[in-house]
Amino acid sequence: DQQVKQNSPSLSVQEGRISILNCDYTNSMFDYFLWYKKYPAEGPTFLISISSIKDKNEDGRFTVFLNKSAKHLSLHIVPSQPGDSAVYFCAASTGTASKLTFGTGTRLQVTL
Amino acid sequence: ETGVTQTPRHLVMGMTNKKSLKCEQHLGHNAMYWYKQSAKKPLELMFVYNFKEQTENNSVPSRFSPECPNSSHLFLHLHTLQPEDSALYLCASSHQTGEAFFGQGTRLTVV
Repeated sequence: DQQVKQNSPSLSVQEGRISILNCDYTNSMFDYFLWYKKYPAEGPTFLISISSIKDKNEDGRFTVFLNKSAKHLSLHIVPSQPGDSAVYFCAASTGTASKLTFGTGTRLQVTL
Repeated sequence: ETGVTQTPRHLVMGMTNKKSLKCEQHLGHNAMYWYKQSAKKPLELMFVYNFKEQTENNSVPSRFSPECPNSSHLFLHLHTLQPEDSALYLCASSHQTGEAFFGQGTRLTVV
C-alpha cells in the first residue's frame, strides 16, 4: 500500500512556462514533506521542503503548496528551464525529516 | 560532489558471491541510511543508523547485512543474493532532523 503517490509518471512543459508536479499521501501522521530531484546516474538531491504547519514555501523559482485537508502537495516551477528536466520525487516523514517515504517519481521534460 | 560517496558505482555479482557496498559521508551527520530503488518502484528505506546504532530494519532479508563502524561510514554486506535483488542501492545521511543527502548510488546486478 503506497502511502505517497505521484500519479503522473511524466510531464512535458515548454521552456518559460509553469511546471506543476503533484503528490498525494494517505498517512495523516506525515508532518514534513520534501521534494527531491534526480538526474540519471546520480542520487536524489534535495530541492525544497514544507512543514505541516505551513501551506506554502517558496525558494526562488520553486514553490511547494500543501493542502492538509486534501492530503495533497504540489511543486510549482516557474519559469521552467531545460536544466529542470529530471525525475522529481515527493517524500514524506513523521517527526524526523530523514526517515522518508517516497513516491514513484514524475519525469519532467522541459522542451525548448 | 554531494558529500556522500558510494563505492562501487556498479557491481555485478553471482548468487553465491559475497560483496560489500561502501558509503562515506563528509558532512558531519550522525544518521545514515540505506535505501533501495527497484525498477518502477519508489525508493524503499532499508536500514537506519543513529550515532552508529541501528534504529530501524525495515523487514530486510538477512542476506543484506549492514555495518556502521562510525558515524561517517556505512557498509552493506551482501551474500547469496537473488536476481530480484538487482536494484539501485542508495546511501544517505542527515542530522537528527533535516533533509537527507544522498550518494550517487550503487547499481547492483545479480546474475
